[in-house]
Amino acid sequence: GAGVSQSPSNKVTEKGKDVELRCDPISGHTALYWYRQRLGQGLEFLIYFQGNSAPDKSGLPSDRFSAERTGESVSTLTIQRTQQEDSAVYLCASSPQTGYYGYTFGSGTRLTVV
Amino acid sequence: AQKVTQAQTEISVVEKEDVTLDCVYETRDTTYYLFWYKQPPSGELVFLIRRNSFDEQNEISGRYSWNFQKSTSSFNFTITASQVVDSAVYFCALGGDYGGSQGNLIFGKGTKLSVKP
Repeated sequence: GAGVSQSPSNKVTEKGKDVELRCDPISGHTALYWYRQRLGQGLEFLIYFQGNSAPDKSGLPSDRFSAERTGESVSTLTIQRTQQEDSAVYLCASSPQTGYYGYTFGSGTRLTVV
Repeated sequence: AQKVTQAQTEISVVEKEDVTLDCVYETRDTTYYLFWYKQPPSGELVFLIRRNSFDEQNEISGRYSWNFQKSTSSFNFTITASQVVDSAVYFCALGGDYGGSQGNLIFGKGTKLSVKP
């Protein structure tokens, strides 16, 4: 597509439920990144994919968080047993390759855990 | 450790004033990249500029200019003749080869700029 698409744009969930956040990168972009932005804060790196592989998962906050990517395209970030501190905007970005040739960010998914 | 500091949390100016947003970074890498992003109220992050560590030339793009000084580890951003549409949160970010991992950018906490008419 023309840009990075994220869905849903907004998600309200009850504490303890699982959620899945989806990212459709720009077609042909091999690198994909997930970030979290808490209210009024900067961006916190979660995970990145080069192709379908995630070389570095150290940014994931806990084992409740997981991510996968298939077909060098769509990525899903899953949060299990959500907690209130998971409330944030989750941003996805893609780039033609790793090496900082200009990320393009999506509009994000605003997750609210009640 | 890799770190980006944006000491100014919020800045408020009147339209047509010039404003400079500060960014100081820390890195052990000899090759690294610096970025500025704009996040308007709509929430989407907009890429403004990328500079690599070997290019210390200042850059100007319209009303925007960037001053990169390795000696002080700073990459400051100036908006000349600010406009209301410049109101946004501006993020400075650092990217480098962290032990072979080239995946992520380190972001500062952002500076919220409000331009009043």
